[in-house]
Amino acid sequence: AQKITQTQPGMFVQEKEAVTLDCTYDTSDQSYGLFWYKQPSSGEMIFLIYQGSYDEQNATEGRYSLNFQKARKSANLVISASQLGDSAMYFCAMRDYNNAGNMLTFGGGTRLMVKP
Amino acid sequence: DARVTQTPRHKVTEMGQEVTMRCQPILGHNTVFWYRQTMMQGLELLAYFRNRAPLDDSGMPKDRFSAEMPDATLATLKIQPSEPRDSAVYFCASGSGQLLGDTQYFGPGTRLTVL
Repeated sequence: AQKITQTQPGMFVQEKEAVTLDCTYDTSDQSYGLFWYKQPSSGEMIFLIYQGSYDEQNATEGRYSLNFQKARKSANLVISASQLGDSAMYFCAMRDYNNAGNMLTFGGGTRLMVKP
Repeated sequence: DARVTQTPRHKVTEMGQEVTMRCQPILGHNTVFWYRQTMMQGLELLAYFRNRAPLDDSGMPKDRFSAEMPDATLATLKIQPSEPRDSAVYFCASGSGQLLGDTQYFGPGTRLTVL
């Protein structure tokens, strides 16, 4: 069974600094995808970034990058130059290729608070 | 800017009443997912459709929940009868479902309160 672990329930970061949100996963499959979503206080789930298990380079999307360490089964999200609007819940999720349902398994989330 | 839409955004009802939540997936997407989010359980998958056919509803209490896709532009989630423990935010998400990296795009959610 798939499992996603986010060990940081809450984190603070100073505005304009970088922050890393941890995510570890457990799967026996070789083909899988890892996703990060942001959930601000308004409640919507916003897709941020995707990393495939066979991707050789770490994914980047603007200020978001994914520090993918396959051997350690970790897919940490790095947010550079934090902004007040980055304050939100962040969820890591995984889908494996053999899961015909294409379902996502989510971690418990990390609440990020950006201090001015 | 294509988005998943959900109605209603908020619903307050009394225990025992029927609740129907609706979702319009992004045009062209052939996979639809229903999730439930609570503080205690986090995000849980309730049901999943591909090309309007239900593929997995193992996360859904069968005795009171039902999910359907009457057509490609509408997915529904019904609870009958509703119970206070059903209070949660219900999300619909859609995706093209073609590749491993296919992204699920979420709707704004329906916040359900059962009194």
